[in-house]
Amino acid sequence: ELKVEQNPLFLSMQEGKNYTIYCNYSTTSDRLYWYRQDPGKSLESLFVLLSNGAVKQEGRLMASLDTKARLSTLHITAAVHDLSATYFCAVGNYGQNFVFGPGTRLSVLP
Amino acid sequence: DAMVIQNPRYQVTQFGKPVTLSCSQTLNHNVMYWYQQKSSQAPKLLFHYYDKDFNNEADTPDNFQSRRPNTSFCFLDIRSPGLGDAAMYLCATSRVRGGGYQETQYFGPGTRLLVL
Repeated sequence: ELKVEQNPLFLSMQEGKNYTIYCNYSTTSDRLYWYRQDPGKSLESLFVLLSNGAVKQEGRLMASLDTKARLSTLHITAAVHDLSATYFCAVGNYGQNFVFGPGTRLSVLP
Repeated sequence: DAMVIQNPRYQVTQFGKPVTLSCSQTLNHNVMYWYQQKSSQAPKLLFHYYDKDFNNEADTPDNFQSRRPNTSFCFLDIRSPGLGDAAMYLCATSRVRGGGYQETQYFGPGTRLLVL
């Protein structure tokens, strides 16, 4: 059974600081997805990582994938308040289980 | 703009009274999903359609049914809502290409269901 874990589950950080969210998964998968969810809103796709060593960046967010370690990271650079949200990773592909991690609730404080 | 639309955005129903939630898409994606999301939890997949093929998750209660009359529309029917079914219901779509390669899922705004 595919299991997806995220660390930390809650993250409070100051503006301007850097931090990393980790996503571990239990079985082999060559696709990993990152989503953002604002309170009371739906999910927004951030990144799709398709292969080992994949790195994608958008603004202050950078995601990477290590399929051998079954680990993805979402790195936040110089955080700003607008990044406050819950971040989910999800693992799987069609025909496999598609499982979301529990989410990391990020609060960026002034 | 191409998008995923859900109606209604808020639905209040009574305990045991059937309710139908609607999802439509203009993305022409071949797969449509229904998720249930409760407060502070990750979305939980209920079922999905690959074209006309229905795929139910093993732990989805029989109380939940779905219909996909055409490519653009998909419905979630809750036959006898209980208090525990109060949640946000999210519809998502994606394109699955040959070989099972799935692009990312695009989510609708959700329908928040309240059961009285």
